[in-house]
Amino acid sequence: EVQLVQSGAEVKKPGDYLKISCKTSGFIFSTSWIGWVRQSPGKGLEWMGIIYPGDSDTRYSPSFQGQVTISADRSITTAYLQWSSLKASDTAIYYCARRYPSGSYSTWGQGTLVTVSS
Amino acid sequence: EIVMTQSPVTLSVSPGERATLSCRASESVSSNLAWYQQTPGQAPRLLIYDASIRATGIPARFSGSGSGTEFTLTISSLQSEDFAVYYCQQYNNWPPITFGQGTRLEIK
Repeated sequence: EVQLVQSGAEVKKPGDYLKISCKTSGFIFSTSWIGWVRQSPGKGLEWMGIIYPGDSDTRYSPSFQGQVTISADRSITTAYLQWSSLKASDTAIYYCARRYPSGSYSTWGQGTLVTVSS
Repeated sequence: EIVMTQSPVTLSVSPGERATLSCRASESVSSNLAWYQQTPGQAPRLLIYDASIRATGIPARFSGSGSGTEFTLTISSLQSEDFAVYYCQQYNNWPPITFGQGTRLEIK
């Protein structure tokens, strides 16, 4: 069974560092694209970026380029999303998702709620 | 960046009736379009990909059509569990992948 299990909710202060994780199983991690999607409170879905763990090829949305870093560890089949300095506007639920070869996102993690508040 | 526009923003339909949701792309995305359903507190669920192919386990009452810039998601005979928010997503020209703003399907 394909599964993506995300790390738990986080409460941080503006300026903090944060790295959240997406542990995968049930498929070949190194040959699958894993994407990240943001959902701000009461809002829609925003695509942030994607990584191909096989060669660490990473693509970002222009809206998120330079704001976050996506990475992956093939040895533990886990993808990551990190911030070096959080802002209040980063408060949102973050989802990881596995990309079908055709391009849609077939399986999603349960989401990680990140709250940034002073 | 391709802009995806969904209509209507909110759709009120009675159980057992048909719902028709629309999605328009600012430029052609061929058939590289997906539909997702999101219920409160849950992650999105893939319903349709490549514009018209039902994902694994999706009931036959869900169907997708269209190509180019105009797409439709039809739900025949609405069930109580179908009342949710629906998003379209294009993956023809990326980055970035882009989503529509969503259509909220509510009980009339």
